[in-house]
Amino acid sequence: ETGVTQTPRHLVMGMTNKKSLKCEQHLGHNAMYWYKQSAKKPLELMFVYNFKEQTENNSVPSRFSPECPNSSHLFLHLHTLQPEDSALYLCASSQGTYMRETQYFGPGTRLLVL
Amino acid sequence: DQQVKQNSPSLSVQEGRISILNCDYTNSMFDYFLWYKKYPAEGPTFLISISSIKDKNEDGRFTVFLNKSAKHLSLHIVPSQPGDSAVYFCAASAKAAGNKLTFGGGTRVLVKP
Repeated sequence: ETGVTQTPRHLVMGMTNKKSLKCEQHLGHNAMYWYKQSAKKPLELMFVYNFKEQTENNSVPSRFSPECPNSSHLFLHLHTLQPEDSALYLCASSQGTYMRETQYFGPGTRLLVL
Repeated sequence: DQQVKQNSPSLSVQEGRISILNCDYTNSMFDYFLWYKKYPAEGPTFLISISSIKDKNEDGRFTVFLNKSAKHLSLHIVPSQPGDSAVYFCAASAKAAGNKLTFGGGTRVLVKP
């Protein structure tokens, strides 16, 4: 595998379910990001991790819980989501912690909350 | 309120002609701008960037122009090719705000053979 991979690619969950999204980067990068793209809305930054430490939480509700066990893996744990949380969730990584470095995106997980 | 806007949701252009994508921003603190390209079922890929100290940056068929006084940037693709058919996002960041990327809503480009 090369680049940034995300699993699953599609996910349907009920509002009472707990699920996790996984992201893995094979680029040796030190920074990882979660973004959300809702229908007809721009891409929004959710979280930033630098060297496994969270450095940015963009006012994300606590029903989204990120985890970064190492520089290559990033998870987004989901619980008691709402239908309006249905969106495309994109993971990205960059070489350095300086956010102007080029970010490499995964293909995304399309989430539907029923 | 969106700080970065792409007012044209779609654009259709003939192969070989120029594609011009526009992006407007409201935050005068933005000092770095990027364009990303996205194919269906793939993540966005970086295309080209420009710092606010420049007004033009060129990379092959792609040129980005920045007009700071108008808070406007544009992406020119010349000549357009069918493989350029994709969604294009502009993004902006401000060093003073931690360099977080703020994205526009995207413009879907269709290049007809």
